[in-house]
Amino acid sequence: AQSVTQLDSHVSVSEGTPVLLRCNYSSSYSPSLFWYVQHPNKGLQLLLKYTSAATLVKGINGFEAEFKKSETSFHLTKPSAHMSDAAEYFCVVGDYKLSFGAGTTVTVRA
Amino acid sequence: DAGVIQSPRHEVTEMGQEVTLRCKPISGHDYLFWYRQTMMRGLELLIYFNNNVPIDDSGMPEDRFSAKMPNASFSTLKIQPSEPRDSAVYFCASGTLDPKRELFFGEGSRLTVL
Repeated sequence: AQSVTQLDSHVSVSEGTPVLLRCNYSSSYSPSLFWYVQHPNKGLQLLLKYTSAATLVKGINGFEAEFKKSETSFHLTKPSAHMSDAAEYFCVVGDYKLSFGAGTTVTVRA
Repeated sequence: DAGVIQSPRHEVTEMGQEVTLRCKPISGHDYLFWYRQTMMRGLELLIYFNNNVPIDDSGMPEDRFSAKMPNASFSTLKIQPSEPRDSAVYFCASGTLDPKRELFFGEGSRLTVL
């Protein structure tokens, strides 16, 4: 069985400040983990993925995530938020069948 | 590449009517997935195909839902008869899970059943 828990349903940050989105996972084996982003009325786009290589994963648009097996976490960060980062973010676990978290809505204040 | 193409983008229908959603995956992708997104339940996997063969349909809510993939470039999700609780955004996604392990999503079909 596999699942993810996104610890924050909503995160609000000021433009230019860091963003942290928290995700814990549960899996009976070594998982593949992903972060996807969904802008309003759009499909989901892959930000980054972890597939048992380097534990610090760099993605698109300045995002990165660190896989911590001891903490079963895969938190997403960005050093400086931009207005265009306002969207919903999903933490995802799985290989052939993906399990999505409930999502974190990010708002960016000017 | 044009990406995953879904149609229609929006569908409004009345309860009891048949609804057919369509998906054209990215050429060369051997996996195709249908997801449903609602506020209450988030993103749910309905069914997925590998090389046009349905592999797991355990997420299909009931017999009113059916999905087909007659060839590598086309899939349908059909609801008959439709009910108001079927109102949701339905996403199609395709990918090659080895080695890329990335799914590409369409922009979704927003279904409203009155």
